[in-house]
Amino acid sequence: DSGVTQTPKHLITATGQRVTLRCSPRSGDLSVYWYQQSLDQGLQFLIQYYNGEERAKGNILERFSAQQFPDLHSELNLSSLELGDSALYFCASSGQANEKLFFGSGTQLSVL
Amino acid sequence: AQSVTQPDIHITVSEGASLELRCNYSYGATPYLFWYVQSPGQGLQLLLKYFSGDTLVQGIKGFEAEFKRSQSSFNLRKPSVHWSDAAEYFCAVGSGNTPLVFGKGTRLSVIA
Repeated sequence: DSGVTQTPKHLITATGQRVTLRCSPRSGDLSVYWYQQSLDQGLQFLIQYYNGEERAKGNILERFSAQQFPDLHSELNLSSLELGDSALYFCASSGQANEKLFFGSGTQLSVL
Repeated sequence: AQSVTQPDIHITVSEGASLELRCNYSYGATPYLFWYVQSPGQGLQLLLKYFSGDTLVQGIKGFEAEFKRSQSSFNLRKPSVHWSDAAEYFCAVGSGNTPLVFGKGTRLSVIA
């Protein structure tokens, strides 16, 4: 058990809809990262938050947004969903330095 | 831009045989290098990491990796593979200030 909790584990929705993925980092970790894993693209970095503030942004679509709350949990919001958004979304957390990421089990998103 | 190449998409080895998974990276500065393993339905688990110092690093589950700066490589090795090692293996590169960039992974199958 990595200590990183992601909910829900599975999500099935329709095109055009909006969903929210939730992540609770390991106790004490200030950084939260979101990654998208798909068969063709592999693991793609989306966005990083550190202690409530956006630290780095990767290949995140404008339809996607994220935030980190004062209790350090994070949410990834995906809107106007398309078939191509179907993927496994991982959250990871780390301490102060980007030295070691602990991954959650992921949320499998299926857009039908 | 930083990138990671894992040339082998899928490797099959016999149980008890040795294993080497290849990883080549492109990074402008001295990199932090990582190997992660992902079992089906699970998140990624850190096997080992290299930051500096001894170029041969030991990890969990009997794995080791060697950093070769001249070849921009960080290959993962194990002297004797067990059936439970069947999984997807990811090489990643980053630094203290940048999010990790992952390779597309190598799927390892183990046969009796």
